[in-house]
Amino acid sequence: QQPVQSPQAVILREGEDAVINCSSSKALYSVHWYRQKHGEAPVFLMILLKGGEQKGHDKISASFNEKKQQSSLYLTASQLSYSGTYFCGTGPFQGAQKLVFGQGTRLTINP
Amino acid sequence: KAGVTQTPRYLIKTRGQQVTLSCSPISGHRSVSWYQQTPGQGLQFLFEYFSETQRNKGNFPGRFSGRQFSNSRSEMNVSTLELGDSALYLCASSLSRGPQTGELFFGEGSRLTVL
Repeated sequence: QQPVQSPQAVILREGEDAVINCSSSKALYSVHWYRQKHGEAPVFLMILLKGGEQKGHDKISASFNEKKQQSSLYLTASQLSYSGTYFCGTGPFQGAQKLVFGQGTRLTINP
Repeated sequence: KAGVTQTPRYLIKTRGQQVTLSCSPISGHRSVSWYQQTPGQGLQFLFEYFSETQRNKGNFPGRFSGRQFSNSRSEMNVSTLELGDSALYLCASSLSRGPQTGELFFGEGSRLTVL
């Protein structure tokens, strides 16, 4: 079952913060986050495994709430380079051989 | 280190034809996954291969098939093309034994247009 992302699109000014949510109807083992710029391949941001950890690098971080079966991606003090479509990918159990992605959230950062 | 290479990058076919897309994973990666990307649908999982074995398949009709060779290169084939098959087909390779526990490295995709 495809995870649901919200919002579908968001427009920000440079320096503002953004939160992108990813919810699943199934119990999750892992959540992946990827960013895809227009005309380019999706690029890995981070993986969160079962355990409720929070990860991050630079000004992008994410949380994983197993009980709520959801993850959130936080972009702090957004930069122009953050523009793109963000996808969350979810996996139901360890060893599962597929990652199911959400429909994507389009983020536009304006100067 | 070379990335994931997909060929061809662009192709145009007509309804009823078939197409074969190729993917060369990063050296040393044995897991290859295929995804279909269309506007509004995100990335739809097609199938995943590891060591020449298909380990999982998405909800696509039997017209979509794939295979993996001993050198980990993979191909996917779509027969009897329909207009709705127009999409960007992405291949991703992974070093991990299971794609959901390791980083996926995506190719730039093969954009298929069916007329």
